[in-house]
Amino acid sequence: EAGVAQSPRYKIIEKRQSVAFWCNPISGHATLYWYQQILGQGPKLLIQFQNNGVVDDSQLPKDRFSAERLKGVDSTLKIQPAKLEDSAVYLCASSLGLAGGEQYFGPGTRLTVT
Amino acid sequence: AQRVTQPEKLLSVFKGAPVELKCNYSYSGSPELFWYVQYSRQRLQLLLRHISRESIKGFTADLNKGETSFHLKKPFAQEEDSAMYYCAQGTGANNLFFGTGTRLTVIP
Repeated sequence: EAGVAQSPRYKIIEKRQSVAFWCNPISGHATLYWYQQILGQGPKLLIQFQNNGVVDDSQLPKDRFSAERLKGVDSTLKIQPAKLEDSAVYLCASSLGLAGGEQYFGPGTRLTVT
Repeated sequence: AQRVTQPEKLLSVFKGAPVELKCNYSYSGSPELFWYVQYSRQRLQLLLRHISRESIKGFTADLNKGETSFHLKKPFAQEEDSAMYYCAQGTGANNLFFGTGTRLTVIP
């Protein structure tokens, strides 16, 4: 089966610009996650969707970050405006949504904000 | 608050030697614990989870509730085990809280 797809793989922007990331989960996976991984740290959950509804966005900086999963499949994560501290790898993951279930990760998008 | 502690950022062992990657978690009722691994140029992937009590690639991890630990062990390290290892705790919402990771290097 095809894995989680993400694009772009790399992005360099200047601070105060905006950027968008795209994720296509594994077919049939109801739950989709966006994680932020800053260099030297573990992934940190930004937002979790169950189908097209938000389950957890408690750690999403809502003044600049937004995410949507309108049709319950693909998802986009946007940052507007970007700050230097947003430089990180943004990981998308999906799962069947069962408790204790495995999450399948995409390759990530490496964002550099200059 | 959720906390997963991996005290070692870097760990080097010789091939054939035993390896133990430490993980301590914050108590939260009946925890769900996982080890994820990222090999060079590959995606983050599940290595094992405590509820399955299985051995994957020779690795095992035992949940010790008294010490709130979930250390990852392998009796004989192989070069292909060199990777970044993350301990993670499941939350009630079925998402994961990750530790900071340990980079394991197996020296030939």
